[in-house]
Amino acid sequence: EAGVTQFPSHSVIEKGQTVTLRCDPISGHDNLYWYRRVMGKEIKFLLHFVKESKQDESGMPNNRFLAERTGGTYSTLKVQPAELEDSGVYFCASSQDPQGNTDTQYFGPGTRLTVL
Amino acid sequence: KQEVTQIPAALSVPEGENLVLNCSFTDSAIYNLQWFRQDPGKGLTSLLLIQSSQREQTSGRLNASLDKSSGRSTLYIAASQPGDSATYLCAVDYTGANSKLTFGKGITLSVRP
Repeated sequence: EAGVTQFPSHSVIEKGQTVTLRCDPISGHDNLYWYRRVMGKEIKFLLHFVKESKQDESGMPNNRFLAERTGGTYSTLKVQPAELEDSGVYFCASSQDPQGNTDTQYFGPGTRLTVL
Repeated sequence: KQEVTQIPAALSVPEGENLVLNCSFTDSAIYNLQWFRQDPGKGLTSLLLIQSSQREQTSGRLNASLDKSSGRSTLYIAASQPGDSATYLCAVDYTGANSKLTFGKGITLSVRP
């Protein structure tokens, strides 16, 4: 079974540009999460989808960040316009619904975003 | 404020040593706690998940314990090997089933041959 995949693995953009990160969760997982780790800090939660609905977006830093999950499958996280402080590693994770027997979150390899 | 703390930030031990990694959390009303491993440049690999009703979980040479009353969890690694070198992260679900995780900064472990 394929794990969580993320694309691209690394992105370098200039301040003011737009970047879109993609996450493909494990097939059949209803729950999809985005997290971010900025240098020197702990991994922090951004938002949580249940299928195509946003369950919790309390961690989104501001309105420059837009997350979508089309049809409850893959998800995209767009940053527009990017600022220097947006640099970091963006992780995606997925898990099954409680009826699916597990709370374990499975993480992707992350996308390293560098804003110059 | 709900936080997770992992001290020390780094640890170096000789091969073969049994070791304990500590994790503390500020609110005892947790739903579950998860330990992860991260290798350089890689994603997070789930090691063990302990539900709030459980005291410990074991997988191979790893044993994780949970003491909610004291706000602490430990990850015990038996007979450490150089391949165990990685960053170990503790994460707490304070909210409920399949909810967001609150992470510690991690402990970078180096096992010397």
